[in-house]
Amino acid sequence: EAQVTQNPRYLITVTGKKLTVTCSQNMNHEYMSWYRQDPGLGLRQIYYSMNVEVTDKGDVPEGYKVSRKEKRNFPLILESPSPNQTSLYFCASKGSTSYNSPLHFGNGTRLTVT
Amino acid sequence: AQSVTQLGSHVSVSEGALVLLRCNYSSSVPPYLFWYVQYPNQGLQLLLKYTTGATLVKGINGFEAEFKKSETSFHLTKPSAHMSDAAEYFCAVHNAGNMLTFGGGTRLMVKP
Repeated sequence: EAQVTQNPRYLITVTGKKLTVTCSQNMNHEYMSWYRQDPGLGLRQIYYSMNVEVTDKGDVPEGYKVSRKEKRNFPLILESPSPNQTSLYFCASKGSTSYNSPLHFGNGTRLTVT
Repeated sequence: AQSVTQLGSHVSVSEGALVLLRCNYSSSVPPYLFWYVQYPNQGLQLLLKYTTGATLVKGINGFEAEFKKSETSFHLTKPSAHMSDAAEYFCAVHNAGNMLTFGGGTRLMVKP
């Protein structure tokens, strides 16, 4: 089944403790992206990647890192999480970098930073 | 920079009634416009998209949207609401740099 898989689904951590949220897609998609969803703000893009070893900042990249060493994986790294990074995170991918290609989303990771 | 405004964070309709979810965008170039739906505890799924051509776009589950350039709008409609339509709906516009800008979302509630 074609899908985008995120892990974990739920994560509670403390301020300053490094964490990684994994994202993997099995559709051989070139483009991958991370979003955070906050009430009333919709989804805001954190980082995106057009291909292996190519990453770019989105609207809200501060406090996050990403890497794209393989086509299928696009982990999100929080080196020193803070409470304002408590949010619902989504990974997404699409098969083409063209503007009209739709995104395929994972089921989300709910992160709480205390 | 492009932006998307969804009027009404919550919309409530009765089953069988018309659904109208509003979306206005700002864009300095011809936009690519999308509607996504999010069911509880799931990621977003594409409902429909406008790129070029016909301004009335039909999507899945009986939804459609009309691109009106003069009004910078892309409202989502469905003639008759079903209980299964209860979800959160997001309008989005594709902007430069291969980034998608989302509106704040509208939660649709369907009353029996």
